[in-house]
Amino acid sequence: DAKTTQPPSMDCAEGRAANLPCNHSTISGNEYVYWYRQIHSQGPQYIIHGLKNNETNEMASLIITEDRKSSTLILPHATLRDTAVYYCIVMNQGGSEKLVFGKGTKLTVNP
Amino acid sequence: DSGVTQTPKHLITATGQRVTLRCSPRSGDLSVYWYQQSLDQGLQFLIQYYNGEERAKGNILERFSAQQFPDLHSELNLSSLELGDSALYFCASSVVVSGRAGTDTQYFGPGTRLTVL
Repeated sequence: DAKTTQPPSMDCAEGRAANLPCNHSTISGNEYVYWYRQIHSQGPQYIIHGLKNNETNEMASLIITEDRKSSTLILPHATLRDTAVYYCIVMNQGGSEKLVFGKGTKLTVNP
Repeated sequence: DSGVTQTPKHLITATGQRVTLRCSPRSGDLSVYWYQQSLDQGLQFLIQYYNGEERAKGNILERFSAQQFPDLHSELNLSSLELGDSALYFCASSVVVSGRAGTDTQYFGPGTRLTVL
């Protein structure tokens, strides 16, 4: 079973920031938070991951709460091409573990 | 483009048949993972290979098998196919340097859509 909880769906206006929440209250100290997205039956696409510090890359920002029990993925300026299912996954590093996908959040970016 | 390639893109076959799906990992990646995505089950891990050796197994049926070759490409063999095997099959790869954080990120291929009639 997935160790994360995400809202099933969210809407966002094009050009606005999309903030996708994820709860992972049972996360352990050596587990990272990973975000992937899947655009309509394409292969899942890696977005970002982090342990406890906030992270930013060219695609998104990841904000992890101090207690690490929840996180938020931020797409700063959503476009129509960001419409996808977003998956939040917790995973150990260094052990080459499988990814356990939950149902994710279906983000719809509206014009 | 993730750098992971999968062939074929689509496969249509009949029940009882056997098929082989192929995956080429990103250059330098030693680990290959196979996932199945069906409408009712979502994305599920099947099996992982690391540098030619089986590393982990998920809910993979006995009718399914996989291997990783010396050039690191991998094949997933599905036999005695049933209607319920119709799904998207994804391959992912990662570098995996043991104990080195940040090397486990998995990059996915575009998938093979299998339809069993």
